[in-house]
Amino acid sequence: GAVVSQHPSWVICKSGTSVKIECRSLDFQATTMFWYRQFPKQSLMLMATSNEGSKATYEQGVEKDKFLINHASLTLSTLTVTSAHPEDSSFYICSARAPAGMSYNEQFFGPGTRLTVL
Amino acid sequence: QQQVKQSPQSLIVQKGGISIINCAYENTAFDYFPWYQQFPGKGPALLIAIRPDVSEKKEGRFTISFNKSAKQFSLHIMDSQPGDSATYFCAVTSFGNEKLTFGTGTRLTIIP
Repeated sequence: GAVVSQHPSWVICKSGTSVKIECRSLDFQATTMFWYRQFPKQSLMLMATSNEGSKATYEQGVEKDKFLINHASLTLSTLTVTSAHPEDSSFYICSARAPAGMSYNEQFFGPGTRLTVL
Repeated sequence: QQQVKQSPQSLIVQKGGISIINCAYENTAFDYFPWYQQFPGKGPALLIAIRPDVSEKKEGRFTISFNKSAKQFSLHIMDSQPGDSATYFCAVTSFGNEKLTFGTGTRLTIIP
């Protein structure tokens, strides 16, 4: 149980285009999801916290107009990278907060999405 | 300000040996200390986690040692195997704070 999927697993796009990444909790409802960014050989950096039915909370330094997050249902959150540029190329990982009855701090991570902007 | 410091950055251990990775934190409010394992091109997966009410937790070959007074915790991998070769991240958080703060990561390589 507690499986999180991401789609697509990798994407290549041209500079200036927008890319949407989906994060789904497959077997549980996730009121809170998180989006991370990871550069090669670096740690995970939290970009934003996504709560179902409300606006996402962005970390300091993350452009909310560039990284649009929507959490329209209890099983789906999306991250849209708008007007992507080569410096947005990175590994994007989502996670979902553990459902009720499990550790309150535990997060289940998706497999990640590799974005390459040409 | 780095909330959690992880060391070493990289580690090479012979097969069958013990791998030890350390993390130190400053904020005494932290009360959940997980370790994550990440393989290249994959998302991190929870390996083992501990709360400050115990000093040690063991799950199979993986053990967390926790020193509350020193504000340090470590991951021990016993009988290390080539399949353990991965990057390991410690993390910290506290009750009421749903965010995880990750350490800088340790790239572990197990050699035959």
